[in-house]
Amino acid sequence: AQRVTQPEKLLSVFKGAPVELKCNYSYSGSPELFWYVQYSRQRLQLLLRHISRESIKGFTADLNKGETSFHLKKPFAQEEDSAMYYCALTSGGYNKLIFGAGTRLAVHP
Amino acid sequence: GAGVSQSPSNKVTEKGKDVELRCDPISGHTALYWYRQSLGQGLEFLIYFQGNSAPDKSGLPSDRFSAERTGGSVSTLTIQRTQQEDSAVYLCASSTRQGRTYEQYFGPGTRLTVT
Repeated sequence: AQRVTQPEKLLSVFKGAPVELKCNYSYSGSPELFWYVQYSRQRLQLLLRHISRESIKGFTADLNKGETSFHLKKPFAQEEDSAMYYCALTSGGYNKLIFGAGTRLAVHP
Repeated sequence: GAGVSQSPSNKVTEKGKDVELRCDPISGHTALYWYRQSLGQGLEFLIYFQGNSAPDKSGLPSDRFSAERTGGSVSTLTIQRTQQEDSAVYLCASSTRQGRTYEQYFGPGTRLTVT
């Protein structure tokens, strides 16, 4: 079965601390992996995708096929990073997104 | 340019009533999706349209739920005989191909409360 697991409901850190939001997936094939972010009172938006191998707002994520993981990392958290983060996968193209339960990141001053 | 829009933004209805939720996708986007965001279930897929056809309806939770899309644009999600467990935020997204990539752009959602 296709599944995305985000084990932490809440991750609380202080400004300047490193952040790692965990994501593991179950999929028989080669999925596309994404991180979406939802800031307070804003709509869900794409943060980054694994095929782009890019850094957005200081965040990076590496797809580890051996461990079936796609953890999101940032070396120095900022208060404006506080938001809900969702890991998602798709089989590609126009196919549906399968989301994890989400992790709320709270960055304290 | 204009993003995905949804209406109403909030809807409170009594158990047993029917509701209609509307989605206006980004102009030119051929694909349209409905998702549901609820406390117990997280973000779950409901249905996907390509043009006016729905090749994937696998996420609709029961036959009380239906959706249609007309003119390859606006979509309506209808919930008949609403139940309290239908309370959730209903999200719409649209997508088009950009080179090798496909990105889903989400609307602000409709918060449905069934009393």
